[in-house]
Amino acid sequence: NAGVTQTPKFRVLKTGQSMTLLCAQDMNHEYMYWYRQDPGMGLRLIHYSVGEGTTAKGEVPDGYNVSRLKKQNFLLGLESAAPSQTSVYFCASSYQGKTEAFFGQGTRLTVV
Amino acid sequence: KQEVTQIPAALSVPEGENLVLNCSFTDSAIYNLQWFRQDPGKGLTSLLLIQSSQREQTSGRLNASLDKSSGRSTLYIAASQPGDSATYLCAVGDTTSGTYKYIFGTGTRLKVLA
Repeated sequence: NAGVTQTPKFRVLKTGQSMTLLCAQDMNHEYMYWYRQDPGMGLRLIHYSVGEGTTAKGEVPDGYNVSRLKKQNFLLGLESAAPSQTSVYFCASSYQGKTEAFFGQGTRLTVV
Repeated sequence: KQEVTQIPAALSVPEGENLVLNCSFTDSAIYNLQWFRQDPGKGLTSLLLIQSSQREQTSGRLNASLDKSSGRSTLYIAASQPGDSATYLCAVGDTTSGTYKYIFGTGTRLKVLA
């Protein structure tokens, strides 16, 4: 049982490049989340999904897009990367909103 | 807007000491509260989940309490060990925006000295 898996683990982008981060969960969870973690600011919610085919904005959605075409996958896209998007990105999932959240191991992204 | 605060930001204690980490939140309308551990460069590991109807949860040397009315939770670690050194994060399950999502504190960085 892999839990929540994030791909890739590390990435360096040049300003203006695009990329997609993949989050996959094998626990049949309805809810999935993307957070970013920055020093001194804790984890902040970017986007989330309450089920297949649904997405919603979180606290810091600007510059990001998401898709949930399959229940087990939640994709986070950066269309035109900026240095301000240098961060560690975490994906999480939960069976329902009120249940325990499980996190992936993180993706460390550097935009130069 | 829900805000979560963790005090202290950093803590250094000798091995064997019992310690308490604090988490406070501004809106008592939460559905649960979860404590996590994060090791440097790693992901988050769930330690304890307390539902809004519960007062406390225990797992081994860890005990978490929840007082919704006062907007507080504490994580008690008994007989601390060097292996407990990590950052501890609390997250409240918030529904003030109409859906379920977790709002995190900035964490307490714990160092247990051998």
